[in-house]
Amino acid sequence: AQSVTQLGSHVSVSEGALVLLRCNYSSSVPPYLFWYVQYPNQGLQLLLKYTTGATLVKGINGFEAEFKKSETSFHLTKPSAHMSDAAEYFCAVNSGAGSYQLTFGKGTKLSVIP
Amino acid sequence: GAGVSQSPSNKVTEKGKDVELRCDPISGHTALYWYRQSLGQGLEFLIYFQGNSAPDKSGLPSDRFSAERTGGSVSTLTIQRTQQEDSAVYLCASSNTGSTEAFFGQGTRLTVV
Repeated sequence: AQSVTQLGSHVSVSEGALVLLRCNYSSSVPPYLFWYVQYPNQGLQLLLKYTTGATLVKGINGFEAEFKKSETSFHLTKPSAHMSDAAEYFCAVNSGAGSYQLTFGKGTKLSVIP
Repeated sequence: GAGVSQSPSNKVTEKGKDVELRCDPISGHTALYWYRQSLGQGLEFLIYFQGNSAPDKSGLPSDRFSAERTGGSVSTLTIQRTQQEDSAVYLCASSNTGSTEAFFGQGTRLTVV
């Protein structure tokens, strides 16, 4: 069984400040990990994913995440927040190659304060 | 099309009525998924299609829910005798076989009154 925990349902940062959204997972097999972003009244857009290889993954819009197996974490960061980053962010896991079902966290709503 | 298309974007229905939600996946994508997004429950997996077959229907919440896919393309999610707890955003996604990347549509917001 897999599960995802996102710490903090709401996070507020000032424009230009560091963005850190936390994600911890549990999986009985080596996981594939994803971050999706959802803007109001929109679907989910893939920000980045970790499958194998390099544990620091860079995505779109300046976001990156680091897979830390020892901590079972996949936190999302961005050095400098922009107003356009305000959205809801979802961490997700699946069981890797051949697996199709994503298990999502409950989401973290990011607000950016001007 | 360029992306996953869902229709309608919004649907308001009366309790007890049946509804059909449509999903047009990205052309050539063999895998198609339905998820439900509701307050308090987050994103829940409903069903997965590989081609026209649904090897995993485990997420369908009750026998009022059914889905089909024809021609390896368009899928329809049907909810019979809708209840207020069915109110949610229903998201469809598609991917290539073996790919870990699923592309999501904008969803259908269903409100049961």
